[in-house]
Amino acid sequence: EAGVTQSPTHLIKTRGQQATLRCSPISGHTSVYWYQQALGLGLQFLLWYDEGEERNRGNFPPRFSGRQFPNYSSELNVNALELEDSALYLCASSRLGGSHGYTFGSGTRLTVV
Amino acid sequence: AQKVTQAQTEISVVEKEDVTLDCVYETRDTTYYLFWYKQPPSGELVFLIRRNSFDEQNEISGRYSWNFQKSTSSFNFTITASQVVDSAVYFCALSEAGYGNKLVFGAGTILRVKS
Repeated sequence: EAGVTQSPTHLIKTRGQQATLRCSPISGHTSVYWYQQALGLGLQFLLWYDEGEERNRGNFPPRFSGRQFPNYSSELNVNALELEDSALYLCASSRLGGSHGYTFGSGTRLTVV
Repeated sequence: AQKVTQAQTEISVVEKEDVTLDCVYETRDTTYYLFWYKQPPSGELVFLIRRNSFDEQNEISGRYSWNFQKSTSSFNFTITASQVVDSAVYFCALSEAGYGNKLVFGAGTILRVKS
């Protein structure tokens, strides 16, 4: 069974630009979660998508957005990039509700210069 | 509100020593799930264990063991006879049951095992 795949592995952007990160969940998983791991700040919940809808959102500004496609893959978009957006962005997938566990991808390391 | 506290920021041990990583959680739900993840230098989060709030039985998996005590809201993780490959950041996490749940992580504990 293929795991959660994220692309790209690394991304370098200039302040003010937009970044798009992608995530493909494990087959059969309908929920996708996005987390930000900035240096020294731990893992912060960003967004949760299920069945194509945004179900929950963490304490992040609106320039962090995303969507989930009919095949359950997901995109995270970060607009008007700021230097402090530099972080490892981790995607996780689960069956609905997550009580059976969450499987994480290897992450996308975003660097804003 | 959910909260997970890992008070130990960093632990250093010598190979073959036993080490316990502490985790204390807060939740108002009676049904919840507790997790431990390992994050090696490569960055991915590796799932170690999931526990639901109704199962307080301790678990052992090889050199790993977990002690879940609802009375003290703790879910501690012990590595017996540590090895250099155990060096990583370990995260404890909590998920409340019900729709809208998400994983809330502790700050993580950096474990350094020296040979």
